[in-house]
Amino acid sequence: QVHLVESGGRVVQPGRSLRLSCAASGFTFSTYGMHWVRQAPGKGLEWVAVISYDGSNKYYADSVKGRFTISRDISKNTLYVQMNSLRREDTAVYYCAKDRTATSWDYDVFDIWGRGTVVTVSS
Amino acid sequence: DIQMTQSPSTLSASVGDRVTITCRASQSINTWLAWYQQKPGNAPKLLIYKASSLETGVPSRFSGSGSGTEFTLTISSLQPDDFATYYCQQYNNYWTFGQGTKVEIK
Repeated sequence: QVHLVESGGRVVQPGRSLRLSCAASGFTFSTYGMHWVRQAPGKGLEWVAVISYDGSNKYYADSVKGRFTISRDISKNTLYVQMNSLRREDTAVYYCAKDRTATSWDYDVFDIWGRGTVVTVSS
Repeated sequence: DIQMTQSPSTLSASVGDRVTITCRASQSINTWLAWYQQKPGNAPKLLIYKASSLETGVPSRFSGSGSGTEFTLTISSLQPDDFATYYCQQYNNYWTFGQGTKVEIK
């Protein structure tokens, strides 16, 4: 069974850093592009970042570009996002999600999502 | 950036009703559109991709149509499990979600 489990969310002060993790199981992690998507309290979904299946390409939403870094460790079947210079507006549930199609270089939909981890940026 | 606009924002309906949600893109996205369902406290669930392709395991009462800039999600006969928020998503150029449509009990 395919599973994604996020962790690392907590309360953090503005300007500080945080790293989120997403543990993958039940599929060949190294063959799928992976994403981070966030949802602020009571708001809609916002795509944050993507990493290609081989890790060679990474793209970011303008709202996090230069502050967030997405990465993956194939040996640990784990996706990460390093979040620096956090702002109050980064407060959200952060979901990881996988591409529907393996080894795809095209834009794709997200067929499996984790349950999310909560990040609160507050002093 | 491609903007996605859904209507209505909230929809009140009864079990058995036919429900239609509209999603408009700020520029043509061909058929690179998906629909997701989200229930409170849960992650989104993929329902439809490429505008009209039903994801495996999704009930056939869900259907999607459209191309270019105008798209619709239709639930042919609303079931109790369908009360949720629905999001469209374009994946023609990066990824953008609509603001969501909450389907609530009338």
